[in-house]
Amino acid sequence: QQQVKQSPQSLIVQKGGISIINCAYENTAFDYFPWYQQFPGKGPALLIAIRPDVSEKKEGRFTISFNKSAKQFSLHIMDSQPGDSATYFCAATGNTGFQKLVFGTGTRLLVSP
Amino acid sequence: DTAVSQTPKYLVTQMGNDKSIKCEQNLGHDTMYWYKQDSKKFLKIMFSYNNKELIINETVPNRFSPKSPDKAHLNLHINSLELGDSAVYFCASSQGLAGSSWGGETQYFGPGTRLLVL
Repeated sequence: QQQVKQSPQSLIVQKGGISIINCAYENTAFDYFPWYQQFPGKGPALLIAIRPDVSEKKEGRFTISFNKSAKQFSLHIMDSQPGDSATYFCAATGNTGFQKLVFGTGTRLLVSP
Repeated sequence: DTAVSQTPKYLVTQMGNDKSIKCEQNLGHDTMYWYKQDSKKFLKIMFSYNNKELIINETVPNRFSPKSPDKAHLNLHINSLELGDSAVYFCASSQGLAGSSWGGETQYFGPGTRLLVL
């Protein structure tokens, strides 16, 4: 119940295309869903996050879509650029004694020029 | 100014040795974490401290011992290193606990310490 399942494991997208990464969870007590971006040799950094009171959040080319009934959320990267090539982690937590982020297994995105 | 810093950046050592990794944050955060990232990029939380108090200990072998001398520092000492300890270790900090609904749960990661046990 604590797991967050992430797919795909790796993704190759052409420059200008749309990258889509999906995550699913079981625990209905989760109420905060961040995405972290990690470049090679660096630590992960918060990219964008959503709470379940909205179904979508957009920041620039990055959008989170959230489906509460399906217990799924996804990251969409519009107009993907080579500089977006990184590993992306979804995560989840809740406000009832969780005390930690539960991370997905990561998606390695490569945007080809 | 580095928000979360770790030393050393690289650590190569022999099996059986004891080593320490240091972490410092200058963000004024109350909560600090240690994560282990393996070769498949899986991020696994090891420990979490809030106001110098241990709050998460995730079934980590007792060869690993965290120490928080103050809120800004969290060190990780590893005894009797094993081949399987080879990984990247990340320190992170957040203003509040994960799950705090007021937005203090964003975690800021350090650059990582790459540990190779030979």
